[in-house]
Amino acid sequence: LAKTTQPISMDSYEGQEVNITCSHNNIATNDYITWYQQFPSQGPRFIIQGYKTKVTNEVASLFIPADRKSSTLSLPRVSLSDTAVYYCLVGDTNRDDKIIFGKGTRLHILP
Amino acid sequence: GAVVSQHPSWVICKSGTSVKIECRSLDFQATTMFWYRQFPKQSLMLMATSNEGSKATYEQGVEKDKFLINHASLTLSTLTVTSAHPEDSSFYICSAPKTSGSGNEQFFGPGTRLTVL
Repeated sequence: LAKTTQPISMDSYEGQEVNITCSHNNIATNDYITWYQQFPSQGPRFIIQGYKTKVTNEVASLFIPADRKSSTLSLPRVSLSDTAVYYCLVGDTNRDDKIIFGKGTRLHILP
Repeated sequence: GAVVSQHPSWVICKSGTSVKIECRSLDFQATTMFWYRQFPKQSLMLMATSNEGSKATYEQGVEKDKFLINHASLTLSTLTVTSAHPEDSSFYICSAPKTSGSGNEQFFGPGTRLTVL
């Protein structure tokens, strides 16, 4: 399982774009990159998943460079409700592999 | 998206008693489910992999005789904390993978807050 490294915490303001970068130097060929969001006392919620280049959905964008050793989650125009912990996970989605969580990034949005 | 439920959402028990937590996949079948524990301000820690029809696989350092896991059906896994003590107080979360066109996506339950007095 590829290890991931993220900033421990980040602060931003409402209306700003927030970019959270994750390093995964040992990513394997079959591994996908998945980001989850967790609010206090709730289970993690899927945000976005990608393999390479760029993926966009209604919530976020995920940028993955050609070497795939890192990825950046981009949250456009954040609001106070985006205050949460964000986890970057790497694994082979074609298998029922266990997911090992890293420390995540605690994002705090200020008014 | 798929839904995973947990019951109860919170439980308070006395030290020495056993507590059972249920994890259900409501609209899909899961031969594998995962149990996590999360302490305040910390990340999720994987405890064990629950396998339908076979024994659970425990992570290193997790006592299998204390945390009993039973995967009774393709939609239900239970975690029983036996002889609970205050240090077992934590937030317990389960997850189940669901296969889609792009592979497996993990769906997490809402969690169960256990407080042992």
